[in-house]
Amino acid sequence: IAGITQAPTSQILAAGRRMTLRCTQDMRHNAMYWYRQDLGLGLRLIHYSNTAGTTGKGEVPDGYSVSRANTDDFPLTLASAVPSQTSVYFCASSVASGSASTDTQYFGPGTRLTVL
Amino acid sequence: GQNIDQPTEMTATEGAIVQINCTYQTSGFNGLFWYQQHAGEAPTFLSYNVLDGLEEKGRFSSFLSRSKGYSYLLLKELQMKDSASYLCAPLNSNYQLIWGAGTKLIIKP
Repeated sequence: IAGITQAPTSQILAAGRRMTLRCTQDMRHNAMYWYRQDLGLGLRLIHYSNTAGTTGKGEVPDGYSVSRANTDDFPLTLASAVPSQTSVYFCASSVASGSASTDTQYFGPGTRLTVL
Repeated sequence: GQNIDQPTEMTATEGAIVQINCTYQTSGFNGLFWYQQHAGEAPTFLSYNVLDGLEEKGRFSSFLSRSKGYSYLLLKELQMKDSASYLCAPLNSNYQLIWGAGTKLIIKP
């Protein structure tokens, strides 16, 4: 693995189903983030984690949950998917050592999710 | 509130120069990032400004005026591969990136 990976690449899901989007980074970055990107809108932060064992809510957290059991992995779970969660989901990570210059975020390739 | 304003779309000619403007209002400020995003792909880092002035990096330059809440990205010697969306993202006092919707740049031969 080099960088940050996401799985699956795309998924079609029936409403009401549970789904976990996976994200793994091998850069030993402290911070990780989940965004959704919808046409015509900027990236919106769903949840973030500044370090393993801690998580925080972003701008649009409702309907989503995350965990950060270790440095490398940051899964995003939709407990009961709804059509409004149809979007492209990006995972990102940054060194985040406390200096703004280390807050450059590096993105995974994204997961395209469709909820019917 | 926090707000980012960029043009939705711009068109330029191959070989020319284009300037993409961004104005922002954030709760505190810890610098501003520009990212490039090709259609169907992830955003990739272009530049970071924390002090006023111009930062040059090859064909791309980025300018910041903190007092005016203003930044621009300057692309020189445009190539067809520069067709992409360009995202302006200031870093607020909580060290969270606030993302604009992006400017879609179309390069014509």
